[in-house]
Amino acid sequence: AQTVTQSQPEMSVQEAETVTLSCTYDTSESDYYLFWYKQPPSRQMILVIRQEAYKQQNATENRFSVNFQKAAKSFSLKISDSQLGDAAMYFCAYSWLGANSKLTFGKGITLSVRP
Amino acid sequence: DTGVSQDPRHKITKRGQNVTFRCDPISEHNRLYWYRQTLGQGPEFLTYFQNEAQLEKSRLLSDRFSAERPKGSFSTLEIQRTEQGDSAMYLCASSLTTGRGNTIYFGEGSWLTVV
Repeated sequence: AQTVTQSQPEMSVQEAETVTLSCTYDTSESDYYLFWYKQPPSRQMILVIRQEAYKQQNATENRFSVNFQKAAKSFSLKISDSQLGDAAMYFCAYSWLGANSKLTFGKGITLSVRP
Repeated sequence: DTGVSQDPRHKITKRGQNVTFRCDPISEHNRLYWYRQTLGQGPEFLTYFQNEAQLEKSRLLSDRFSAERPKGSFSTLEIQRTEQGDSAMYLCASSLTTGRGNTIYFGEGSWLTVV
């Protein structure tokens, strides 16, 4: 079974600074996707970024980028120039292409941004 | 594209009562998922539909839970004889299969409190 581990329950960052959120996963599959979702206090889960396992290049979306280490099964999210609106829970998630594409989530990390 | 909508957003019910949640996916999305999320945890997969067919159910989905997706459009999740342990947020999500993988979009969730 696939598992996703987010070992840091909380992190804090100063506005305009950079923060990295960690995630590790376990799978025996070779073809899969990894995601970071953001869940603000309004509770709607929003996709931040996704990475296809077969792509070596790390995904980037504006201020958000990932460090994907396939051999180490590590998938961290870097948020640059942090903004107050980045404060939320962040979930790392895994999806195997051969299944129904259902997501397996980590427990999440609460990110606070200090003004 | 109006996003995934869920109704009701909040429901308080007495133990033993039945409740039903409705989800309207993004138009033309053929896949629909239900997840359950408790405070401080990541969402957990409950069940999945491709069009009108329910293709997978988690062990979390006891006999008191039933989900339907008639005509492959909206879906309902019914919980019979609710228990306090059913208190959680029930998230609906949808996606469109496009070959390699698909992005899953979430609704705002339906909060259930069983008293």
